[in-house]
Amino acid sequence: QVQLQASGPGLVKPSETLSLTCAVSGFSFTGAYHWGWIRQSPGQGLEWIGSVHYSGNTYYNPSLKGRVTLSVDTSKNHFSLRLTSVTAADTAIYFCGRFTWLQAFGIWDQGTTVTVSS
Amino acid sequence: DIQMTQSPSAMSASVGDRVTITCRASQDIRNSLAWFQQKPGKVPERLIYGSSNLQSGVPSRFSGSGSGTEFTLTISNLQPEDFATYYCLYHGDYPLTFGGGTKLEIK
Repeated sequence: QVQLQASGPGLVKPSETLSLTCAVSGFSFTGAYHWGWIRQSPGQGLEWIGSVHYSGNTYYNPSLKGRVTLSVDTSKNHFSLRLTSVTAADTAIYFCGRFTWLQAFGIWDQGTTVTVSS
Repeated sequence: DIQMTQSPSAMSASVGDRVTITCRASQDIRNSLAWFQQKPGKVPERLIYGSSNLQSGVPSRFSGSGSGTEFTLTISNLQPEDFATYYCLYHGDYPLTFGGGTKLEIK
């Protein structure tokens, strides 16, 4: 059974870097799947942040490009998100998920709440 | 980049009703559209992918249709558990784009 579990600080100070890691279990990390991050600000809709393939190829939301970096560690079966220079607008629930071109996001983790505040 | 315009942003309906939610793409996206349901405090769940393919385990009262630039999610015979927020997602290329969401409330 595929499971994703994200981890990382729940509180980040303004101007600092938000870092989250999503561990994948029960499934081969390699292959045709992409691994992505989505966020949801309080009371708002869903926003795709970016996706990464196990090969290291990355794809980013243009609205966040320049601040976001995704990476993978195939030896640990996990992928990571770094978002720099955060502000209160980056306060959100961050989800990690498995993506395919044919079926979109089918598996998600439970979401990690990140608050940006001093 | 593709923009997805979802309508309405909110609606109310009664148990047993048939409702339709629409997503319009800013350009032809063929059938690369998925629909998600999200209940408060919960993870979004995929209902439909590839415009009309029903996710395994999702009740058949949910259906998706459309291609090109206009897509619809139809829920027939609304059940109490269907009151939630629904999102469309363009999944044909990067950048992926979500619609703004439709909150379906009980009338």
